Amino acid sequence: QSALTQPPSASGSPGQSVTFSCTGTNSDIGYYNYVSWYQQHPGKAPKLIIYEVTKRPSGVPDRFSGSKSGNTASLTVSGLQAEDEADYYCSSYGGSDNLIFGGGTKLTVL
Amino acid sequence: QVQLEESGPGLLKPSETLSLTCTVSGFSISSHYFWSWLRQPPGKGLEWIGSIYQSGTTYYSPSLKSRVTMSVDTSNNQFSLSLNSVTAADTAIYYCARSVVPVFHWSDPWGRGTLVTVSS
Repeated sequence: QSALTQPPSASGSPGQSVTFSCTGTNSDIGYYNYVSWYQQHPGKAPKLIIYEVTKRPSGVPDRFSGSKSGNTASLTVSGLQAEDEADYYCSSYGGSDNLIFGGGTKLTVL
Repeated sequence: QVQLEESGPGLLKPSETLSLTCTVSGFSISSHYFWSWLRQPPGKGLEWIGSIYQSGTTYYSPSLKSRVTMSVDTSNNQFSLSLNSVTAADTAIYYCARSVVPVFHWSDPWGRGTLVTVSS
């Protein structure tokens, strides 16, 4: 099963909003509400920020929100802050006992 | 507070077997969760390797299934990864993580990761 497709980079200024896309197929994102998003700062382990498309773990600011339309999931970061500069990865259950990831999007806060 | 820590050799030669252990603290590995291994080649994206339940039921990535074995040791609150016939392509940071049931579709928290380098 192919990896999910994410744009390699995105940028925004402090206070702005930025949205990342994550495109799959009707066998993964389009079929299951099992999309997750992870934030990874350089040299650190990934941190879960969104699960099951729209849910936020305790402690994750509500500036982070997730959605899905068809085969594409999206992560929106509102009110950008310097600390949001990181890599963001999406993942989806792909059926047949398989979990797939996107290639990641590097967010630059200008 | 649940914490996970990976341990194992950091340098392997091609064709050798990679063996890593994840020690879980602050949480029972016998709880209703999966326990997963994931990896990240330097400068690249994340890849799911596999997940194991407390009962020993395992699920492996189709691309690695022929080379991977995972096991769980409930008495020591640990789970392990074995990957045989390694090549340079297996060089990566290996992470262990707690994953949700029923289909390990999200993981939290993750260990800090351990770098495994395959080189002759």
